[in-house]
Formats: sequence, C-alpha cells, structure tokens
Amino acid sequence: QVQLVQSGAEVKKPGSSVRVSCKASGDALSNFAVTWVRQAPGQGLEWMGRIVPMVGITNYAPKFQGRVVITADKSTRTYYLEMTSLTSDDTAMYFCARGGNWLDPWGQGTLVTVSS
Amino acid sequence: EIVLTQSPGTLSLSPGETATLSCRASQNIGSSYLAWYQHRPGQAPRLLIHTASTRATGVPDRFSGSGSGADVTLTISRLEPEDFAVYYCQQYGVLPWTFGQGTKVEIK
Repeated sequence: QVQLVQSGAEVKKPGSSVRVSCKASGDALSNFAVTWVRQAPGQGLEWMGRIVPMVGITNYAPKFQGRVVITADKSTRTYYLEMTSLTSDDTAMYFCARGGNWLDPWGQGTLVTVSS
Repeated sequence: EIVLTQSPGTLSLSPGETATLSCRASQNIGSSYLAWYQHRPGQAPRLLIHTASTRATGVPDRFSGSGSGADVTLTISRLEPEDFAVYYCQQYGVLPWTFGQGTKVEIK
C-alpha cells in the first residue's frame, strides 16, 4: 500500500522560494501521477497542479502558472513542488496526493510559513 | 475554471442521523468526474467517493454518492462520532481541477 511522506515544515522570507518533497513508498507502481493541493489557514482545499510522469505532462492552476514547478525524480520516487516569489498569502499547509484525477492517498502535509 | 458550490455550509446533526451534502458545478463536468473527501482537523484529507458514486477502498457503506453532470450528492447515513468533519467535493472533468468550498458536519 502506497504511502507518501513529505518533508518538514519551512519558514521562508517574502520573495524567497521553497521546495517541498513527497516521497513514495510501499507496494505500488512507480511513476504514478501526483497532485499538489494547499490549504491556507481557515480556508478550503485549493488544487495547485499535477504531474503525470508516464506521459510526461504537468498541469497547473492558472493562478500558479509561472510561479510553481512540479517535478518527479523517478529513481528515488520523490516528487517536488517548488514555488517562487513567496508572499504571506502562500502561508499554508501543502499536501501531495497520488493521482492525476481523484486523489488517494495523501501525504501528511507540510506547513510553509512566509514571514518577514 | 469550473466553480463548485457546496451546500449547506454547515450541517448540525446528531449521531445516528443522516447527512445530505450537495455539490453543484457552474457547468457540466461531463459524465461523473467527481470525488468526495473527508477532512478532519490535523489530518490529511481522505478519499471517500470517486466517479460520483464509487466508494474508495475501506470506506463504510453508510457513505454513498449519487448524481452526475453538474449536480451531485453525498449521503452519510447513521452518523458516527468520527464522521463529524469537513467534506469537500472535487471535479476532474475540466482542467484545472477544482474543489468546492467545503461543508462542515458538526455535532448538534
């Protein structure tokens, strides 16, 4: 059964960048699709984008296009979310999840705090 | 992008009662490309239903999904204490995928 383990909490300055990782383990096919979702404090879930390594595609929500890059390292079964030009509005819990459509399972979440 | 509107925003019910949650899309998302998730505080979201009505592995049969196109429903029968949480619908019919704003099911 697949498990996704994410990297630890981050504290970043406005204008900087952050990279969050998501490592897959367990009995599963390699190179499956992964989606990133975030939840700002007191808000709902927000779909950010996905990577589908088997067909070599990534898709991003328009508000993140150009500021977010999602990648996958097939050799280590690790997926990455990199976000640049951080502002306080990016303070949120970031989740990875297996799947390019419905999402199951989810990682435990990584808290990213942007503060001067 | 497709906007999903969930109603009601909050549902106050007692254990043993039935919860009916609605999710309406701003346009037809095609077939049944809709999922439901349960989100408890401090935990990762959990997939309950995909393809509008297919229960995910290990999900109790008191959870059921129905509907298609632009209007879907999640029904939770015989509410258990662990069912009090926030529920989100998500469409994956038209990119970018989107989530509804959530329905909180709270103990009355």
